[in-house]
Amino acid sequence: DTAVSQTPKYLVTQMGNDKSIKCEQNLGHDTMYWYKQDSKKFLKIMFSYNNKELIINETVPNRFSPKSPDKAHLNLHINSLELGDSAVYFCASSRQTGNTIYFGEGSWLTVV
Amino acid sequence: AQSVSQHNHHVILSEAASLELGCNYSYGGTVNLFWYVQYPGQHLQLLLKYFSGDPLVKGIKGFEAEFIKSKFSFNLRKPSVQWSDTAEYFCAVNARYSGGGADGLTFGKGTHLIIQP
Repeated sequence: DTAVSQTPKYLVTQMGNDKSIKCEQNLGHDTMYWYKQDSKKFLKIMFSYNNKELIINETVPNRFSPKSPDKAHLNLHINSLELGDSAVYFCASSRQTGNTIYFGEGSWLTVV
Repeated sequence: AQSVSQHNHHVILSEAASLELGCNYSYGGTVNLFWYVQYPGQHLQLLLKYFSGDPLVKGIKGFEAEFIKSKFSFNLRKPSVQWSDTAEYFCAVNARYSGGGADGLTFGKGTHLIIQP
C-alpha cells in the first residue's frame, strides 16, 4: 500500500478553472506538507500542517488554499488557475516536524 | 531562515567513476540533514539522513555522506556509480529548535546526475 497517496496524478485544465488535489497518508504521521516543484526541478515548501493546524504558510498566492479535515488528509485547492501554476505538486508527511519526510508520487498539473 | 546550496547543477560521469556531490547550508544552529533522490518521472525517495552521532552516514544503494560542521557541509559520495544512478539529487536541511520543534525542509536546487554506460 502506498504510504502517501495523492490524486489525481495527472491533471490538464484551462486557465481560470478551480481544481483540487487530494492527499492521504496511512503512516499515522502528525505533520503533512505540500511542496511545489517547478520546471527547473526546484522544490519549494508551500504549506505544512501539524495535527490539522497550519504551521507553515510560505508566500503563496491566496488562490491556493489547503484544507486538512483530519491529520491523515491534506487537500490542496487552487482557484482561478494560471499558466504559471503548471508544476508538479508533492504531498508529504512526517511523524513530527523535523523528522524524515515521506513524499507522495506527485501530481503533474498543466494549465493551458 | 536556513538555505541550501548545491554546487553542481549538472554532472556527467561514466559508469564505475566515483561521485561526490557538494552541499552547503547556512544556519548557525542545530540542523537535520538529508539527501533525497528523484528518478526520472518519480517521487522523491530518501537516500540518507543525519540527525546526530557519527558524522559519516551510510544510506541505500551504496551512498554515504559526511557532515562537517565546521564547513557547514554534507557532501554525498559513492565510490562507483552505475547507470541506474541517473537521477536528480537533492540536499535538504531543517533547523531544529531547543523547544523540540523544527522547520519544514528547505531543499537545494538539485543536481542532475547522468551516468553514461
